[in-house]
Amino acid sequence: DIQMTQSPSSLSASVGDRVTITCRASQSISSYLNWYQQKPGKAPKLLIYAASSLQSGVPSRFSGSGSGTDFTLTISSLQPEDFATYYCQQSYSTGSFGQGTKLEIK
Amino acid sequence: QVQLVQSGAEVKKPGASVKVSCKASGYTFTSYDINWVRQATGQGLEWMGWMNPNSGNTGYAQKFQGRVTITRNTSISTAYMELSSLRSEDTAVYYCARYRVGSSDYWGQGTLVTVSS
Repeated sequence: DIQMTQSPSSLSASVGDRVTITCRASQSISSYLNWYQQKPGKAPKLLIYAASSLQSGVPSRFSGSGSGTDFTLTISSLQPEDFATYYCQQSYSTGSFGQGTKLEIK
Repeated sequence: QVQLVQSGAEVKKPGASVKVSCKASGYTFTSYDINWVRQATGQGLEWMGWMNPNSGNTGYAQKFQGRVTITRNTSISTAYMELSSLRSEDTAVYYCARYRVGSSDYWGQGTLVTVSS
């Protein structure tokens, strides 16, 4: 099975900050990498698919990059509604998720 | 609009089985795979398996092999996830999601399954 490792596990930041979350796969997954945002009590929301494609309706301050084993999610200027938990997921083989990154207000 | 509506919360005893339904609307049910994902309280997301509603083909995470079965009824655009031999560690919210372009773009609201004696 492909293991996905996110870092950091938690992050404190302020409104307006630029934030980067990383995700590493245990083997090459090409660009089969998705990013989701989840708020408490809600289902996950797709932000980025295929490593760098922005899902329809998602603000352009979210961007994704990477291929192979190393990927990043960047939020260019944090907004109050962005404080949530973020998960990466590989779709190269089955669909394992990273452990999540909780983004909190500083 | 695309919607996935799941069945209500369940309470089961250890050793029992649970079957969660996921009714799709707003798109052609047989055109997109369905994934199942679960989340224990305060924990991360765990991928369980997938199904192609057109062919009925399925694939399961190794962890759940032999305990999980995903099926469908195309006449009512509904997918099902059945988990057997329940134990306390299976207490979680179970989600279905539509799978498109290698990602889950629409999700159900989640179904809480509680396993308790």
